[in-house]
Amino acid sequence: DADVTQTPRNRITKTGKRIMLECSQTKGHDRMYWYRQDPGLGLRLIYYSFDVKDINKGEISDGYSVSRQAQAKFSLSLESAIPNQTALYFCATSDPGTGGARTGELFFGEGSRLTVL
Amino acid sequence: AQTVTQSQPEMSVQEAETVTLSCTYDTSESDYYLFWYKQPPSRQMILVIRQEAYKQQNATENRFSVNFQKAAKSFSLKISDSQLGDAAMYFCASLFGNEKLTFGTGTRLTIIP
Repeated sequence: DADVTQTPRNRITKTGKRIMLECSQTKGHDRMYWYRQDPGLGLRLIYYSFDVKDINKGEISDGYSVSRQAQAKFSLSLESAIPNQTALYFCATSDPGTGGARTGELFFGEGSRLTVL
Repeated sequence: AQTVTQSQPEMSVQEAETVTLSCTYDTSESDYYLFWYKQPPSRQMILVIRQEAYKQQNATENRFSVNFQKAAKSFSLKISDSQLGDAAMYFCASLFGNEKLTFGTGTRLTIIP
């Protein structure tokens, strides 16, 4: 089983609908992230959380909200989806580590492709 | 602002040849990490190689190596003996002091049989 699991993998919805993308991890990491990938733009950070009580906006948080239900779960919501939110969404985790154990590496889920019509 | 720039949207290379993908970044930090991630058609993000800024020695992982030029803020990826399975999008990324990974816009690599 994948260490970072995203559901759904693919979703088509209509403008104005509420959508939730879910992410769960078994890596035991405190840090979790939501990124959005668009062609020609790379991956851009939407929200991130360094622990259950810590939620931070990324560079493109408008139109999105998140919930950190537990260390292992981090959900992304689109309250009223619009077509320009059509994209590939990634959840990722990291372990800050200390000293020589710090790697900075992110571990990604398999992505959720969202299409808003 | 801390930025990562990939100036080559697309690259192609003949199978078994060597190709270099470019990446530059901008930061005032002295301690940071640099990464290359590969995204094949399966869309999974796979870590290819990592470089710590405090290490002068360039990182190497089998056929993949980097040319890290700290003063020039350059971090290029060299793929030797290119194979068909190397075809993918490649993203350069950096982790600066704010603990958030910043990505470049990607380079699509095509392998010509």
